Amino acid sequence: NAGVTQTPKFQVLKTGQSMTLQCAQDMNHEYMSWYRQDPGMGLRLIHYSVGAGITDQGEVPNGYNVSRSTTEDFPLRLLSAAPSQTSVYFCASSYSGGGPGANVLTFGAGSRLTVL
Amino acid sequence: QKEVEQDPGPLSVPEGAIVSLNCTYSNSAFQYFMWYRQYSRKGPELLMYTYSSGNKEDGRFTAQVDKSSKYISLFIRDSQPSDSATYLCAMSPYGNKLVFGAGTILRVKS
Repeated sequence: NAGVTQTPKFQVLKTGQSMTLQCAQDMNHEYMSWYRQDPGMGLRLIHYSVGAGITDQGEVPNGYNVSRSTTEDFPLRLLSAAPSQTSVYFCASSYSGGGPGANVLTFGAGSRLTVL
Repeated sequence: QKEVEQDPGPLSVPEGAIVSLNCTYSNSAFQYFMWYRQYSRKGPELLMYTYSSGNKEDGRFTAQVDKSSKYISLFIRDSQPSDSATYLCAMSPYGNKLVFGAGTILRVKS
């Protein structure tokens, strides 16, 4: 069971370039999300989705775009990369709903992005 | 003010010590509390899960929640070098959107 798979693991971009971070999960989780992790800031929610065709903004959505065409995949697009987007990005998924255990997130290994 | 405050450390202890990690929060609606452990260059993994107030024990790890004080703790007994990691507290009022603390870096020296 692969869990949550993120690609690429590392990426270097120049300012203004665009790219897509891929995320796939094989646990049939309805909920998927993207976080960025910066020193001293913890994990901050960028975008999330509660099912195919449904997405919403998190705490820091500016400069990022998402779509959810299938249950398994939740790509994160950087529209025009900026040095402030240098970070480690994590995709996470869980079952949807509000009951105990439904909000336990399973994380991918992360994608380390540097914008020059 | 952040919704969840966590001392970033680093916290350095000798092997065998008892470790106490803490978070405070301001949102009284939080009722699900979690601790994640993150090894260097890896994704966070769930370590402990608690609903509402009280204690939960799992081996060398004990999680405590005091909702009246808006304070949660993670205790590690007989700490080992393999416990060296970043520990993130996370909490939620309902549903899937978790709010994370900044993480505390723990180093256990052999």
